[in-house]
Amino acid sequence: AQSVTQLGSHVSVSEGALVLLRCNYSSSVPPYLFWYVQYPNQGLQLLLKYTSAATLVKGINGFEAEFKKSETSFHLTKPSAHMSDAAEYFCAVRTSGNTPLVFGKGTRLSVIA
Amino acid sequence: DAGVTQSPTHLIKTRGQQVTLRCSPISGHKSVSWYQQVLGQGPQFIFQYYEKEERGRGNFPDRFSARQFPNYSSELNVNALLLGDSALYLCASSLSVDRGFTDTQYFGPGTRLTVL
Repeated sequence: AQSVTQLGSHVSVSEGALVLLRCNYSSSVPPYLFWYVQYPNQGLQLLLKYTSAATLVKGINGFEAEFKKSETSFHLTKPSAHMSDAAEYFCAVRTSGNTPLVFGKGTRLSVIA
Repeated sequence: DAGVTQSPTHLIKTRGQQVTLRCSPISGHKSVSWYQQVLGQGPQFIFQYYEKEERGRGNFPDRFSARQFPNYSSELNVNALLLGDSALYLCASSLSVDRGFTDTQYFGPGTRLTVL
């Protein structure tokens, strides 16, 4: 069975600073990995997904993530944080198109002016 | 194009009651999945439906049931509500279940259920 661990339930950064949100996965087969963002009182919005075509994945709003098989990681980064990035971020894994997403517990990102 | 829509937005029920939540997928999407998100946790999979058939079920009791209609909309029913059922219920739609990793799930805004 696959699982996801997100290190740090809350991350706080200054505006303009690097954002790094950590995600490690466990899967017995090659995984498909996703990052979703959830703004207060809203549903989940897809930021990016790993499709096995390239290990560095670029998403919306300037976010990117790098798949590292040797480290079983899929960390999310953004070079410069904006106030509008403050939200809850979820890493998720699935093993095929017909299996459900398995989510981590989420990381709340705060951006300080 | 309209995204995934869910109704109602908020709902307050008492223990023992029954509730029905509704979801309309993105036009052209034939698969609907339901997730439960308890406060402070990530979403947990409840059901997936494709072409009106159940294609997957998570670790939830039989009090939870769902169905999909010919127009691909879906309902989630929860009987004999418990305090622990209080959560945000998310619906996600996708084109199919057989498209591999390209089958992205798009989420609706959710229904916030409070059980008193």
